[in-house]
Order: sequence, then structure tokens, then C-alpha cells
Amino acid sequence: GAGVSQSPRYKVAKRGQDVALRCDPISGHVSLFWYQQALGQGPEFLTYFQNEAQLDKSGLPSDRFFAERPEGSVSTLKIQRTQQEDSAVYLCASTKGGKETQYFGPGTRLLVL
Amino acid sequence: DQQVKQNSPSLSVQEGRISILNCDYTNSMFDYFLWYKKYPAEGPTFLISISSIKDKNEDGRFTVFLNKSAKHLSLHIVPSQPGDSAVYFCAASGLTDSWGKLQFGAGTQVVVTP
Repeated sequence: GAGVSQSPRYKVAKRGQDVALRCDPISGHVSLFWYQQALGQGPEFLTYFQNEAQLDKSGLPSDRFFAERPEGSVSTLKIQRTQQEDSAVYLCASTKGGKETQYFGPGTRLLVL
Repeated sequence: DQQVKQNSPSLSVQEGRISILNCDYTNSMFDYFLWYKKYPAEGPTFLISISSIKDKNEDGRFTVFLNKSAKHLSLHIVPSQPGDSAVYFCAASGLTDSWGKLQFGAGTQVVVTP
């Protein structure tokens, strides 16, 4: 497919468990964003990559959240020692670069019990 | 602090009529505004955008108006169709934000009735 894909689509984790969420951006897209969307709210920025460089991680809520994009394409968002407040939809978006239109994936819905 | 606000959580409109969605912002450094549409269990889909150098942008049935002095933008959908039923998010990007980090409003649920 030509769009942004994310996996898994749904994840249930026990409190304290580590999780890893994957994003496959559109081929050739330089920029990649992660957002967190809580129930009834709009997406909130977490972090931004330009190729493999993480240029902005100001939105990561705690040091339990870690993101990487080692080869400049696929990205992984890792949450360590998950807490109930981490329950949300995690969205990934990609662009050609700069302030271009962001194309979003379907998201991963994380539920921490 | 919420810098982009959509004060109407929901809107119901009859098919064929106009839908008007509103969005207010507080940061005068925002220079690029977008509207996204979201269906359940899907990611947001880009709808239309406007740069701060313009006050209107039109694309088919969708028109976005920007009033910089009032820090207000609106999305008009004419005519509304049942397939337009979705959550609409207003988003903004800052002048000093060279890579286009977006700030979103909380969304407006639109229901188009036959």
C-alpha cells in the first residue's frame, strides 16, 4: 500500500509491561512524526524525525517513552513500564519534508490495564 | 495550555445544507492552518489548508476562511453529504517551527442527517 501503516493496530498491556509500536511511513518520506491521542481529544505531538535524526522530542511525556528511526524509514515508539495514563491512540504521520502535508497512519490503540 | 480550540464538540446538519465548523487559536506565531477529517478506527485524513498570507482557500465543497485579527478560522462544507459525517480537527503550525509540528484542537463531531 502507498499509505502510512502502523502495527499492531490494537495492543493490550498489563501495567508495568514494555510495549513497542511500529510505523512504516510512505516510501521516500523524509519526515516522521508521532502523536498521542487521548479519548475525546485531538492528537498531541510527541516527537519528530528527519531521516534518522530525532530533531524534536519535546512532547514525550516522560523518560519511559523512547523513539527511534535507525535507518531513516521505519520508526518504533517504545514505552517502558506502561502506566494506565499511557492508554491512548498513538498516531504516526509522514511528509516529504519541511512543512508539507502530514499523512497519518491508522494508529495503534493501546490499552493499559 | 490549549492553543487551538474547537468549542463545539458536535454539530448536526441536514443533508444538502451548509456545515460551518469553527476554530480559535491563541498563538499569533501560527502561520499555517489545516483541517483534518477522521472516521472511527482510522487516522486523520488531510482535507484542506490555508497559509496565513491568505484569508480564503477553496477546494470543491470545502472552503476555509482565516481571520487573523480575530485568530479565528472556519471550515464551510457546502452542500453537506452523509459521507461527511466524521470528526473534524483543526490544526496549526508555527512560524518558528521549521518542520511543521502540528497542534490540534479537540475536534468537532459532525453528523449529516438525510
